[in-house]
Amino acid sequence: AQKITQTQPGMFVQEKEAVTLDCTYDTSDPSYGLFWYKQPSSGEMIFLIYQGSYDQQNATEGRYSLNFQKARKSANLVISASQLGDSAMYFCAMREGLMFSGGYNKLIFGAGTRLAVHP
Amino acid sequence: EAGVTQFPSHSVIEKGQTVTLRCDPISGHDNLYWYRRVMGKEIKFLLHFVKESKQDESGMPNNRFLAERTGGTYSTLKVQPAELEDSGVYFCASRHSQTNEKLFFGSGTQLSVL
Repeated sequence: AQKITQTQPGMFVQEKEAVTLDCTYDTSDPSYGLFWYKQPSSGEMIFLIYQGSYDQQNATEGRYSLNFQKARKSANLVISASQLGDSAMYFCAMREGLMFSGGYNKLIFGAGTRLAVHP
Repeated sequence: EAGVTQFPSHSVIEKGQTVTLRCDPISGHDNLYWYRRVMGKEIKFLLHFVKESKQDESGMPNNRFLAERTGGTYSTLKVQPAELEDSGVYFCASRHSQTNEKLFFGSGTQLSVL
């Protein structure tokens, strides 16, 4: 069964330090996509980064990178040089299938990790 | 460019009443999704529209929930009659068919059923 596990309900990090948010997934489909979303206190879910299961390189978007370890079925989010504005809930999600198409349109979400950045 | 807009942002109703949530997707986005997060649990898929057609409503919990997308623009999600367990945050998301990665979410509607 498809499942996303985020084992860290809460994380603390000092401003300007790097932090890793854990995400493991379970799927029997060899083709899938992995997503990270940020939800600040305003409530909006903000897309951060995407990794396809066949992508050779780890995805990076500015200060965000995704540490993709396919054999271990993990897709950890690394935030470098944390800023106070990074304090938020972070959700890992998975879509089976390489593309949004046909029956492959659902995202499966983890429970989320609340990150607090301290000055 | 305006993002995905949802209203109301909060709704408090009594059990048995009817509530209608609205979602305005990003202009031009033909795919529209509803998700919800109940009682601090995982965010769960409810249904998916392509234009005005329902493509997948496998996540709708029961027949008290009715989603529509008239004209393929905005969408409404009606809960009638509301029950206590319907309380949660209802998210709408949209995507253009040519986009594979980004699903744009709104800020959600916090629904409280008392």
